[in-house]
Amino acid sequence: DAGVIQSPRHEVTEMGQEVTLRCKPISGHNSLFWYRQTMMRGLELLIYFNNNVPIDDSGMPEDRFSAKMPNASFSTLKIQPSEPRDSAVYFCADRVGGAGELFFGEGSRLTVL
Amino acid sequence: DQQVKQNSPSLSVQEGRISILNCDYTNSMFDYFLWYKKYPAEGPTFLISISSIKDKNEDGRFTVFLNKSAKHLSLHIVPSQPGDSAVYFCAASAGNNDMRFGAGTRLTVKP
Repeated sequence: DAGVIQSPRHEVTEMGQEVTLRCKPISGHNSLFWYRQTMMRGLELLIYFNNNVPIDDSGMPEDRFSAKMPNASFSTLKIQPSEPRDSAVYFCADRVGGAGELFFGEGSRLTVL
Repeated sequence: DQQVKQNSPSLSVQEGRISILNCDYTNSMFDYFLWYKKYPAEGPTFLISISSIKDKNEDGRFTVFLNKSAKHLSLHIVPSQPGDSAVYFCAASAGNNDMRFGAGTRLTVKP
């Protein structure tokens, strides 16, 4: 089992560009979470899915952010257009059903110049 | 709105001594609490958890205490080791729903 896989690990882009972060969860897990880590706010929940359906996206900062989970094996987080304040580490995590612990990917470090 | 709060951004202890990390929460619907450990350039990893029906859970050197009336939990590490140096996140969830994290506490264990 390779765990939760995120790509890219590092992304440097210029303000105004579109950014797409990708996540491949562990097979068989049915909940997927996107978090953003910043120095000031720690781990912020952006959005989570249950059985591929978005349940709560109230943490998504603005309309510039969108997330999809077209199937149980793949999810994307898109920022369009990106801004310097979006610079952070973005984590994807999944969870076996119930109130179990989350399994995190290694994160995607985004720098917007 | 920070539903889970870790008010100490950092903690430094001597090797062999006890480390106590604290966490407060505001949502009375939370029924499951967890601690995660994070090393640089890695994702957080699960450390220990506790259900709201308990007030203590122990796993080796790690013990989590829950005080529901005070909406407070703590993680005790005894004895602390240099390899425990990391950022520790407190997290809470309500049923099969989202999981909220605190801002983290950076623990440094000095040899």
